Amino acid sequence: EVQLVESGGGLVKPGGSLRLSCAASGFNFKEDWMNWVRQAPGKGLEWVGRIKSKADGGAIDYAAPVKGRFTMSRDDFENTLYLQMNSLKSEDTAIYYCTTDGRFGGDYFDYWGQGTLVTVSS
Amino acid sequence: DIQMTQSPSSLSASVGDRVTITCRASQTISIYLNWYLQQPGKVPKLLIYAASSLQSGVPSRFSGSGSGTDFTLTIDSLQPEDFATYYCQQSYSIPRTFGQGTEVEI
Repeated sequence: EVQLVESGGGLVKPGGSLRLSCAASGFNFKEDWMNWVRQAPGKGLEWVGRIKSKADGGAIDYAAPVKGRFTMSRDDFENTLYLQMNSLKSEDTAIYYCTTDGRFGGDYFDYWGQGTLVTVSS
Repeated sequence: DIQMTQSPSSLSASVGDRVTITCRASQTISIYLNWYLQQPGKVPKLLIYAASSLQSGVPSRFSGSGSGTDFTLTIDSLQPEDFATYYCQQSYSIPRTFGQGTEVEI
C-alpha cells in the first residue's frame, strides 16, 4: 500500500525557515517523480514544485511564487522527499501535501499524503 | 502559464441528480487534463486522468470528456459522498495549474 507521511509543519515568523519531510513507502520511491502541492486555508489547490527521479535526470521545477525561496530534494536511500522553505511569507500559510507523479497513460497526482500545516505569522 | 477556469464555481443538487462541471484551458492542452475530488476536511483524490480515464477504484458514475481546451466532468446519479469540491488540473506544461474549484452542495 502506498503511504506518504508529511511532517515538519508548524508556526514560523515571516522571514523564517522550515523544512518539510515526506516519508514514502509501498512503492519504488527512487523511480518516481514527486510533487508538493499546497492549499491555503479555505482556498484552492496550488502546485509548488516537482522533482524527477535521478534516473530521469533529477530536474526540479518550481512555481513562480516560491522559486528562489524553496528547495526540493530527495533521499532515495531514506525514501524521503524534502521541501526546504526559506524567507517565508504570510502567503505561504497552507497545508502542504506531497504527491506521487503518476505517468502511466497520462501525468497526474495519484497518491497524496495527509498534509502538514505551515502557518507563517508574527 | 496555462489558466484553468471551471464553471460553475458552485452548484446545488440533490441525491440522484446528474451533474456536469466544465473546465476550460487558456490554450490547448490536448488531453492532459485531470479531475480531483476533495471532501470537506479531507485530502484531494484523483478521479479522472487524461481527460477520460477513470482512476482505479473510482465509481463508474464519474466520467470525463473533452480535448483541446474544453473539458467536462459528469457525475451520474449523485451520491451523498459526492457533495464536495471538484478541481480540474492541466499536466500539459509546467507550471501545473488547477482550476479554482467547483463546490457541489446539497
